[in-house]
Amino acid sequence: GENVEQHPSTLSVQEGDSAVIKCTYSDSASNYFPWYKQELGKGPQLIIDIRSNVGEKKDQRIAVTLNKTAKHFSLHITETQPEDSAVYFCAASKGTGFQKLVFGTGTRLLVSP
Amino acid sequence: DSGVTQTPKHLITATGQRVTLRCSPRSGDLSVYWYQQSLDQGLQFLIQYYNGEERAKGNILERFSAQQFPDLHSELNLSSLELGDSALYFCASSPGGANYEQYFGPGTRLTVT
Repeated sequence: GENVEQHPSTLSVQEGDSAVIKCTYSDSASNYFPWYKQELGKGPQLIIDIRSNVGEKKDQRIAVTLNKTAKHFSLHITETQPEDSAVYFCAASKGTGFQKLVFGTGTRLLVSP
Repeated sequence: DSGVTQTPKHLITATGQRVTLRCSPRSGDLSVYWYQQSLDQGLQFLIQYYNGEERAKGNILERFSAQQFPDLHSELNLSSLELGDSALYFCASSPGGANYEQYFGPGTRLTVT
């Protein structure tokens, strides 16, 4: 089955710096790659996603890139702010909307003022 | 607020007992997913329903079962509870079909003592 690896497990940056989180997946049939942000005591919040027919997608300070050949995708956060501090999860799924999400192990991002 | 609601927020029960977790999807969403989040296993897919029918099964124990009702709310039943079942249980909903996005509820924290 699909396996998603995520790194780093923790990431500390200064406010205003950029942060990059990387994930690799094993199943070449995977075609949908969302990123979730989870704050303490809350459920995962979908922040951005990308499909396999797109190489890059941006939404304000957040961007995701996908390299299908290498089977990896990355989350880029620019101009980080303390409120970006949270645990970020990447995930992968394949097929139609009936497929499960396979999650990475999470990255704890700490943005210091 | 994702629009997905889950009750109860917290649940404390003893080993051997049975509990029911409830989820109401976003308005208009036909698909409901259940996930378990624990420290050692991360976020794991359990089961998916679409418009009342089971569509996909993941690492769900035989002691666990779920259903989706005609009004599209879903319940996850956990029986013969063990200490290792203590975890956060999340429900996510999705429109289904070509709409892949899954939106998570706030979760139910289950503690088995």
